Amino acid sequence: AQKVTQAQTEISVVEKEDVTLDCVYETRDTTYYLFWYKQPPSGELVFLIRRNSFDEQNEISGRYSWNFQKSTSSFNFTITASQVVDSAVYFCALSEADSNSGYALNFGKGTSLLVTP
Amino acid sequence: DTAVSQTPKYLVTQMGNDKSIKCEQNLGHDTMYWYKQDSKKFLKIMFSYNNKELIINETVPNRFSPKSPDKAHLNLHINSLELGDSAVYFCASSQGSGGAPDTQYFGPGTRLTVL
Repeated sequence: AQKVTQAQTEISVVEKEDVTLDCVYETRDTTYYLFWYKQPPSGELVFLIRRNSFDEQNEISGRYSWNFQKSTSSFNFTITASQVVDSAVYFCALSEADSNSGYALNFGKGTSLLVTP
Repeated sequence: DTAVSQTPKYLVTQMGNDKSIKCEQNLGHDTMYWYKQDSKKFLKIMFSYNNKELIINETVPNRFSPKSPDKAHLNLHINSLELGDSAVYFCASSQGSGGAPDTQYFGPGTRLTVL
């Protein structure tokens, strides 16, 4: 069975601080995909990144970066120089590469990030 | 130009009623989903449809019935609503044709409140 753990329930930082959101996953599959989504206070779910299990290169997109480490089953997300607009709930999710699963996303419980001025 | 749309955005109803939530995507995707987000913000898959066929049906009460008239639409009908059905329901879609989990794009959600 697959499982996604986001141990940090809430994080509060002051603007311009860097912050890392942790994501640890469990799966028996060798091929799987990992995702991050952002849910701002307005409620919509915004896609941030998709990464497959064979690509362990770290990724950077503007102030966002992701560190994927298969050895520790982690896919952590770092926001550099945080801004108030980054305040949201962030979800890590995993999907098996098995069509019988319907490619459903298995979400972690989310980390609520509050960035204060 | 909304990619995935849901109606209504808010739904307030009495216990025992039957209600439907509609979802439409204009992305040309083959796969659509329904997720439920509870009061603690936990997101859980309910159904997955690929080209109008049901692929997965998680442990959801049979009071919930998805219907896909065509691959651009996936509606959710709920019979005999209960207090515990109060939640935000998200529709999503993905390309679904590449043999791997594609990015899922979510609708704005429907907040259902059962009184």
